Amino acid sequence: GNSVTQMEGPVTLSEEAFLTINCTYTATGYPSLFWYVQYPGEGLQLLLKATKADDKGSNKGFEATYRKETTSFHLEKGSVQVSDSAVYFCALTTSASKIIFGSGTRLSIRP
Amino acid sequence: DSGVTQTPKHLITATGQRVTLRCSPRSGDLSVYWYQQSLDQGLQFLIQYYNGEERAKGNILERFSAQQFPDLHSELNLSSLELGDSALYFCASSVGTVMNTEAFFGQGTRLTVV
Repeated sequence: GNSVTQMEGPVTLSEEAFLTINCTYTATGYPSLFWYVQYPGEGLQLLLKATKADDKGSNKGFEATYRKETTSFHLEKGSVQVSDSAVYFCALTTSASKIIFGSGTRLSIRP
Repeated sequence: DSGVTQTPKHLITATGQRVTLRCSPRSGDLSVYWYQQSLDQGLQFLIQYYNGEERAKGNILERFSAQQFPDLHSELNLSSLELGDSALYFCASSVGTVMNTEAFFGQGTRLTVV
């Protein structure tokens, strides 16, 4: 079946450090890929997406590239801020009309 | 503000009881999705409705049921509650059925079963 595997947290970094959160997927067909972010006490919100191979999604300094050959969609940011502290979810959708989420990675940024 | 409204925000109830969680989707969105978020299970898809009809079903227990009304709001009914049902329940909405576009999430209802 379809699934998403992302690196376990928590991840703790210092401000201005480089961030990578790994995400790989298993899917039939051609899924769309997403990163959602959940700030404390809030619901999930879309961070970025890519709908076909080699697409790069980007938003708020975050980037992820849809790599079909490695079935990956790793999240990166060049310089993290304290305000980036949150839980990040990698996700995919297929024509089955539901989002399949990874287990989430908690990110904490130290000032 | 995502535009998706969930009520109540918090709910504490006893085992064996029944509760109803309510969701109002964003204006114009026809699809509603329900998810359960627990510490050990992550985000689990429960069920999806599109314009009043059930479209997809996930790991939803038989004790749980949902519906979407003509005004497009949705309710998730949880009955014969068990301690393990304690979780955060999220509703999300989107414009259509095929989700290659953004889903908008509510802030969730935190259910505590004691």
